[in-house]
Amino acid sequence: AQSVSQHNHHVILSEAASLELGCNYSYGGTVNLFWYVQYPGQHLQLLLKYFSGDPLVKGIKGFEAEFIKSKFSFNLRKPSVQWSDTAEYFCAVTLPGGQNFVFGPGTRLSVLP
Amino acid sequence: GAVVSQHPSRVICKSGTSVKIECRSLDFQATTMFWYRQFPKQSLMLMATSNEGSKATYEQGVEKDKFLINHASLTLSTLTVTSAHPEDSSFYICSARGPGGDYGYTFGSGTRLTVV
Repeated sequence: AQSVSQHNHHVILSEAASLELGCNYSYGGTVNLFWYVQYPGQHLQLLLKYFSGDPLVKGIKGFEAEFIKSKFSFNLRKPSVQWSDTAEYFCAVTLPGGQNFVFGPGTRLSVLP
Repeated sequence: GAVVSQHPSRVICKSGTSVKIECRSLDFQATTMFWYRQFPKQSLMLMATSNEGSKATYEQGVEKDKFLINHASLTLSTLTVTSAHPEDSSFYICSARGPGGDYGYTFGSGTRLTVV
């Protein structure tokens, strides 16, 4: 069964710092990859997704992620974080045609003003 | 965009009682909805797949008699935690696939269940 790992449980940054959150998955075949964000007290929202094509994916709110197949990774990046980016970030995987997600454990991001 | 409403957002119940959580697709029909559970500091784990008009499909290790799922209409799925115990305290989240395909999944806002 596929699994997803996220490198950091809690990341603390100052505003304007650059962000990179790691995500690795364990599945040898083709996968669909997602990053979701959950702001405090709110529901999960899709940041970006990768199905195929350009491995550098741009999402909402200035986020991007790069799919590196050889490393089974899909790291999330943002050049300059804001206080409003404070949230929980989840990496997720589905198999093509699959419907349910396998989520990583999440990374809590705290951005200090 | 597609919206999934989940209710209640928080519930506290006594041990031994049952709690019902509702998941509604507000502006689209969802033949399939998914129920996830999230323990503190852990990831979301799929509990079951709810299919309109038929029995839910439960993941391995999830007790179907304890977590009753009913998907009686194309816009409503309910999860009932029966005879709740403190170890059932968790964050429950539903999701549904919105219209248009392309993995347009929408998640509900979640329900924080605390069993005392």
